[in-house]
Amino acid sequence: NAGVTQTPKFQVLKTGQSMTLQCAQDMNHNSMYWYRQDPGMGLRLIYYSASEGTTDKGEVPNGYNVSRLNKREFSLRLESAAPSQTSVYFCASSLGQGAWVSLTDTQYFGPGTRLTVL
Amino acid sequence: AQSVTQLGSHVSVSEGALVLLRCNYSSSVPPYLFWYVQYPNQGLQLLLKYTSAATLVKGINGFEAEFKKSETSFHLTKPSAHMSDAAEYFCAVSEEGAQKLVFGQGTRLTINP
Repeated sequence: NAGVTQTPKFQVLKTGQSMTLQCAQDMNHNSMYWYRQDPGMGLRLIYYSASEGTTDKGEVPNGYNVSRLNKREFSLRLESAAPSQTSVYFCASSLGQGAWVSLTDTQYFGPGTRLTVL
Repeated sequence: AQSVTQLGSHVSVSEGALVLLRCNYSSSVPPYLFWYVQYPNQGLQLLLKYTSAATLVKGINGFEAEFKKSETSFHLTKPSAHMSDAAEYFCAVSEEGAQKLVFGQGTRLTINP
């Protein structure tokens, strides 16, 4: 049982390049999330998926797109990377689903992807 | 909208001393509150959570937190710090219908030998 896995662990991009961050969970969770972590700002939600087939914007969605490929996988795509997107990206999952997401759900986090955009 | 404020971006204590990390929340409805810990170069993991069952919540690794509605606080404490407690700690709040967590900015805890 690997929990939440993310690939790659590190990535360096040039401005304007595109890339996709991959996330997978093996806990049969319904909800999945993408966060970015910047110094002094905590974690900010980029997008989330409350159930397979649905995605919603979080606090900072601009410049990103997501795909909930199936129940296990939730990818984050940067179409044209900018230096402002230099950050550490975390994927998380939780059991709750849709409008009945449990308010007390624990989110389980992956190890993160450290992205630098030059 | 709900929000969380963590007082002090850095806290330093001696090994064996009391650890106190402060968290205040802003919510128009009864909140559900969480403390997560992030060890260096790792993802976050849950320390404890408040679900309205009891105001004093015990978590892993000897940590506990007390929900005080009158003070809108959920401070994290541990009676005796250990070197392995050095990490960054995040307070977070969820709210009915929000379907997401809102995190504080984090407090980095340093333990001095």
